[in-house]
This record gives sequence, C-alpha cells and structure tokens, in this order.
Amino acid sequence: GQSLEQPSEVTAVEGAIVQINCTYQTSGFYGLSWYQQHDGGAPTFLSYNALDGLEETGRFSSFLSRSDSYGYLLLQELQMKDSASYFCAVRADQAGTALIFGKGTTLSVSS
Amino acid sequence: KAGVTQTPRYLIKTRGQQVTLSCSPISGHRSVSWYQQTPGQGLQFLFEYFSETQRNKGNFPGRFSGRQFSNSRSEMNVSTLELGDSALYLCASSPGQTLAKNIQYFGAGTRLSVL
Repeated sequence: GQSLEQPSEVTAVEGAIVQINCTYQTSGFYGLSWYQQHDGGAPTFLSYNALDGLEETGRFSSFLSRSDSYGYLLLQELQMKDSASYFCAVRADQAGTALIFGKGTTLSVSS
Repeated sequence: KAGVTQTPRYLIKTRGQQVTLSCSPISGHRSVSWYQQTPGQGLQFLFEYFSETQRNKGNFPGRFSGRQFSNSRSEMNVSTLELGDSALYLCASSPGQTLAKNIQYFGAGTRLSVL
C-alpha cells in the first residue's frame, strides 16, 4: 500500500521561508501533489510534480526526488494568510482518481 | 461555474442511526471521490465513482457505501453509526476517469457528529 509522512506542525514568522517535507512509500508512483486547507475550508490544489526537480508557482515551489521518494513544498515570503494545513498526496493507482494523503502539516505564521 | 456542492453542511446523529450525504460535482465532471477527514488520521479515501460505477474503495467497513447517479451526483451512506464516524466527509470531483496533475476539486464537506 501507500503511505506518506510529513511533519505535524511547523511555525514561522511573516516574511520567512518554510519548507514542508514529505516522504512516501508507494507500490507505483504517479506524481506527488500538494493541497492547502484553511480551517473550515475545502482542500485546494497547490502544486504537482511528476518528474524530479523544482516546480515554481508564485511564492510556492514544490520539489521532487523520485530516487529518494521525497518531496517538499517551499513557501516564500510568508503571509498570515498562509496559516493553514498542507497535505502531500499521491495517486492510489495508475488509473482512477483516488488520492492517498499524508496526515497534514499545520503551518502557523505569526507576525 | 459552480463548485462542488455538498449537503447538508452539518449533521448530528445518534449511535445506531444511518445517514446519507450528498455531493453535486462541478458541471461536466464525471468522477467523484469521497474522503473522511479526522484530526488524527487526516484525509482517508473512502471510494471513487466514474459513470455510475464504483472504481475503487478504501479500507472502510461495509457500513460505508455510496453510489453515483446518471447526472454524476453522488451519495454516500453510513449505516449503524458509531461514535468514531464523527468526521468531516469531503467529496471531490474531476473531469475524467483519471486525474490530470492529480488535481481534484473539493467541496466544503459535511461535518457529521455522532452522539
């Protein structure tokens, strides 16, 4: 089966940079994605990596190393509104739409 | 375009009862997946549907069931509710049978409390 490990909590101050790591164990690999969820809100897609390397989307970047079964989400120029839970996820199988999520990392940004 | 709509938003039930939750996907989306979210376990996959067929099922007891209608709307049912079923139930939709960039669009969820 698949499993993903990520830290449960991270704290940072406004303007800082924070990295949220994710290690995974999968029987097959079909990309690593990241979702953000604010308290009381729906998870929303942030980023996706299918190949090794860095993907940049504004203040957010995501990195993947398939040989290490490892990825991270990098958040730069942190803002208070970035306080949320962040989940890494992999697809359950090659076809279909089911995602397997990590347990989430709660990011708290203070001023 | 309207997003994923889940109803009701909140539910309170007692142990032993059964409950039905509803999900309307984004217009044109044909795949629907359901997840259970609890503080300790994060998001756990329940089942996924495409064209009225259950394609995959997570590791949940048979008390959890679902279905999808011809208009892609989906329902999930939990029978004989237990205290541990208290959770946020999230529905997610996507356009086709598989995911592009692993993107799913989530609804705001139904928060179920079992007393």
